[in-house]
Amino acid sequence: DADVTQTPRNRITKTGKRIMLECSQTKGHDRMYWYRQDPGLGLQLIYYSFDVKDINKGEISDGYSVSRQAQAKFSLSLESAIPNQTALYFCATSDPYGTSEYEQFFGPGTRLTVL
Amino acid sequence: GENVEQHPSTLSVQEGDSAVIKCTYSDSASNYFPWYKQELGKGPQLIIDIRSNVGEKKDQRIAVTLNKTAKHFSLHITETQPEDSAVYFCAASIGGTYKYIFGTGTRLKVLA
Repeated sequence: DADVTQTPRNRITKTGKRIMLECSQTKGHDRMYWYRQDPGLGLQLIYYSFDVKDINKGEISDGYSVSRQAQAKFSLSLESAIPNQTALYFCATSDPYGTSEYEQFFGPGTRLTVL
Repeated sequence: GENVEQHPSTLSVQEGDSAVIKCTYSDSASNYFPWYKQELGKGPQLIIDIRSNVGEKKDQRIAVTLNKTAKHFSLHITETQPEDSAVYFCAASIGGTYKYIFGTGTRLKVLA
């Protein structure tokens, strides 16, 4: 969905490096999510934010941190990347007051490789 | 913890045939069950969903059925077309919240 953008789309980094993945949305949604996708494991929730002042851990938050800089921006950081964080990362948004209160709108993903 | 199992992991069908993907969930408080389609190089996109107070929902060639007693729900695609080829994910809400637990995905291939 072009309304949710992620940068970079691809990133290769080395073990121990700090890396930030960024997500921006023009949908005006308060709720934003970060997921990780591994082959055969589906999508796992890392962190979610229901508004700028509300940030919560998901299923697999260890090794990750987030920052909600504004309603439109939600960043995911890996403070010290490790190889098992190699995965496809998705940002998503939702609007509980919209016509589809439960629907999540996903960005195109960031493919991260940690060597 | 909550869990969603999805089967099969891969499914190949001839164009024009039907495809069925099944999911089971563990949280009896789940009340929302979406299905997402993920095409190559893109993020997942909602194709159909169902609430716990409904047993079946249909949208053109796509339908979803829900059996709350058995805690399972299924996606049915009729008259499959090559553009239906993608990875499909089921999900179940965590209780009545806006968070989901996703299934592990089904790679559907429609053979022309």
